[in-house]
Amino acid sequence: NAGVMQNPRHLVRRRGQEARLRCSPVKGHSHVYWYRQLPEEGLKFMVYLQKENIIDESGMPKERFSAEFPKEGPSILRIQQVVRGDSAAYFCASLGLGAEAFFGQGTRLTVV
Amino acid sequence: GQQLNQSPQSMFIQEGEDVSMNCTSSSIFNTWLWYKQDPGEGPVLLIALYKAGELTSNGRLTAQFGTTRKDSFLNISASIPSDVGIYFCAGQSGNKLVFGAGTILRVKS
Repeated sequence: NAGVMQNPRHLVRRRGQEARLRCSPVKGHSHVYWYRQLPEEGLKFMVYLQKENIIDESGMPKERFSAEFPKEGPSILRIQQVVRGDSAAYFCASLGLGAEAFFGQGTRLTVV
Repeated sequence: GQQLNQSPQSMFIQEGEDVSMNCTSSSIFNTWLWYKQDPGEGPVLLIALYKAGELTSNGRLTAQFGTTRKDSFLNISASIPSDVGIYFCAGQSGNKLVFGAGTILRVKS
């Protein structure tokens, strides 16, 4: 995973609860992507963040989803009032200088 | 929006055979990336391509950035059982890193 840390690896939430997914990029990287992956499917872009700035959130659902990348600490993807359809694997990728994106191992969210 | 068409969707090949997969798009990309994803893991970067026409190798893997900047292919030579997995192409342009739907590779030993 080239140093991209995501936690937790697995997260179970009841419908209506909040899910918080964390991503620590490669040391020195200041840009992260978040992607969502359903079983047997590809990676769907959600949001592209720079420290303290959202650059592109065109892939984020309009409601319940938010993301941040503070000056200090990991990037957070927050899903409020989760529903069963939110169950998926969520990956973050850390962007290097050469436009190479390195992925974490993902957080598998299960909504019960 | 930008879309990548990746083919084939899946392949079932004999160990030792060569494999070829490709991605095409109606959009131009500045960078093409190829990833492999094993079950339960995140995608791992295999090869990055930065220039139109560029041909790059990584062991048994070879990838090319199409001259029109709208396509790329990945070849795997002499496949082995550990090549099993899902291979994704990705095109980068501006802020967007767009992924193909993946090629599932199954190797028969």
